[in-house]
Amino acid sequence: QQQVKQSPQSLIVQKGGIPIINCAYENTAFDYFPWYQQFPGKGPALLIAIRPDVSEKKEGRFTISFNKSAKQFSLHIMDSQPGDSATYFCAASGGGSRLTFGEGTQLTVNP
Amino acid sequence: DGGITQSPKYLFRKEGQNVTLSCEQNLNHDAMYWYRQDPGQGLRLIYYSQIVNDFQKGDIAEGYSVSREKKESFPLTVTSAQKNPTAFYLCASTPLGGYSNQPQHFGDGTRLSIL
Repeated sequence: QQQVKQSPQSLIVQKGGIPIINCAYENTAFDYFPWYQQFPGKGPALLIAIRPDVSEKKEGRFTISFNKSAKQFSLHIMDSQPGDSATYFCAASGGGSRLTFGEGTQLTVNP
Repeated sequence: DGGITQSPKYLFRKEGQNVTLSCEQNLNHDAMYWYRQDPGQGLRLIYYSQIVNDFQKGDIAEGYSVSREKKESFPLTVTSAQKNPTAFYLCASTPLGGYSNQPQHFGDGTRLSIL
C-alpha cells in the first residue's frame, strides 16, 4: 500500500519533444505528490508538487497531471532541452506517512 | 546560503570497518532523513529523526546507526554488519517534524565504496 510505481525506467527524446513520466499509487491516504530532479553526483531537488484537490499544475515547462480516481499522476516536460537530461523521481506522502519514492526515470534529451 | 552539507563526497570502507557519514544543515529544519540510493531502486529510507535525541528506523535500517544530539547534525554510521554498503547516501531535511507534506531538501550525497 505504500508503494509508488514509476514508468518508464528510461526515456530518450529529441530536443523539443514532450517526455511523459507516469506514476501510480495505492494508498488513498496520500495527499502530497512531489517530483524531484536529480543530476549525476547531486542530490535530488524539488521540481514541482501537487495536492489532489487540483487535476493539473504547471510551472514553466513542467506540468503535473493528476487523476485521483485512477490513483495516477504524471509529469510532462514541454519543449524539452538537453539540459533537462536527468533522473526524475515521483513521490507521495500523506496521513502522517513519510515520503515514498518511485524507482526513478532516467531521461535523455538529444540535441 | 542555507543548505545541507554532506561529507565526505567519496568514502572507502575496508572489510570489518565502521564508517561515519556526516550531514549538517543550517536551514533550522526539525526533521532529518538518511536515504540509500542504488541504481534502478529509487531512494530507500534508512533512518529519520523528527526531533533532537529521537530517531526512528526506516525501511532498511539493519547495519546502520544514527544519532541526533544537535538539531543541525544527523550523522550516519555504516557498521560492519552492513554486508553490501556500496551505494550513494543522501541526507535530507524538512522544516517541521511530524508533518508529512513538506518538501524535502537534499544534500549532494556521499558515495561509499568497499576497498
